[in-house]
Parts: sequence; structure tokens; C-alpha cells
Amino acid sequence: DVKVTQSSRYLVKRTGEKVFLECVQDMDHENMFWYRQDPGLGLRLIYFSYDVKMKEKGDIPEGYSVSREKKERFSLILESASTNQTSMYLCASPPRAAGDVGEQYFGPGTRLTVT
Amino acid sequence: RKEVEQDPGPFNVPEGATVAFNCTYSNSASQSFFWYRQDCRKEPKLLMSVYSSGNEDGRFTAQLNRASQYISLLIRDSKLSDSATYLCVVNTGFQKLVFGTGTRLLVSP
Repeated sequence: DVKVTQSSRYLVKRTGEKVFLECVQDMDHENMFWYRQDPGLGLRLIYFSYDVKMKEKGDIPEGYSVSREKKERFSLILESASTNQTSMYLCASPPRAAGDVGEQYFGPGTRLTVT
Repeated sequence: RKEVEQDPGPFNVPEGATVAFNCTYSNSASQSFFWYRQDCRKEPKLLMSVYSSGNEDGRFTAQLNRASQYISLLIRDSKLSDSATYLCVVNTGFQKLVFGTGTRLLVSP
């Protein structure tokens, strides 16, 4: 059974803090994704990675960076947290050689509040 | 215009009812289509893929109309456990998925 885990379910940080969100998958997948989900806006892609040390910007990368030093781990970094980054953050990973590219396994999400 | 548009609902239906959701997409080059289900405060999970020929999985039927660029999901004999938000999802290429904002379904006894 595929498992995607995220380091925290709930997180409260102050404006200006550096924030690390960690995501780990246990199925040797090559691709990993970070999304944020906001009411009325749906899920929006922040960054994705298709291999170790590889990263691609998604639709809303501003204010974020990522790190993929190991295949199983994909970190999202908020360099200087701001209140407009208060959101639900979801990590996802599709099966490696998926014929059906739409099947993404999501982690449980991290609800981040920036005060 | 949003790339993927859905009626946010909520759709309030009694148990046993049939309910249908539609979704429209703007990118005519979109390659594949899906419905995901998201329970309150949970992560999205794939419900079913949507094929041009239409496909059925138990009480759920998905249809794709490429000419009109819309996707539908039909749920028959609704159960209380079907209460959730249903996300329409479109693959625009290289595993990049575009998610609709979701349609909320509430099934009542």
C-alpha cells in the first residue's frame, strides 16, 4: 500500500520565519509534487520534482523553494513566511511508470497558519 | 476563465437519489481526465478515470465529451457515505494535473 507522509498535520509560524514542510514516500516513486489548497481556488501546483536534485516550477512558485536530496523525500521551504501563505499544503506522488498519469497519491496534508 | 470549472454546490440530495455533476475544461489539448473524491479535512483520492467511451464503476458513471469539453459524473442510488467534495481533474501534459475547485455533495437520510 502506497504511503505518502508529511511531517506535520498542523503548524503555526510567525511572519518572517523560515518554514520547512517535509514529505516522504515509501514506494520508490520518481515524481513528487507540492500543492496548496485554498477555498474557492482548489489545488494549485507549487513545485514538482521528477528525480533527485531535479525540480520544476509549478503555477505558483513565488515565495517557495524545494529540495530533493533523496528520492523518497521532497521538502517545501518557505524562505520568509507571510500571512498569505496560510493554507493547506499537500504533497503527492504518482506511481513510477503509471500508465494512468492521473493517479496521484496524496499525503494527509499540513495545515499551516502564519500569524 | 479558469482552466477547469465546476459548480461548487452544495448539492443536497436524499439517500437513494441520482445526482450528476458536470465540469468544463478550457484546454482542448488536454490528454486525460479524472474524478477525485475529497472527504472533509482529508486528502483527495482518485475515484475514477474518465474515458472517451464512458466508463462505469458500480454506482458511478463518468462521461467525457471532447467536442464540448466537458466531463460528467453520475452517482446512482446515493449513500450517506457519498457525502464529500468531488474534484474534476484534467491532465494537461507530463503528469501536470489541473484541479477544479470541487463540487460538494451532501446526502441526507
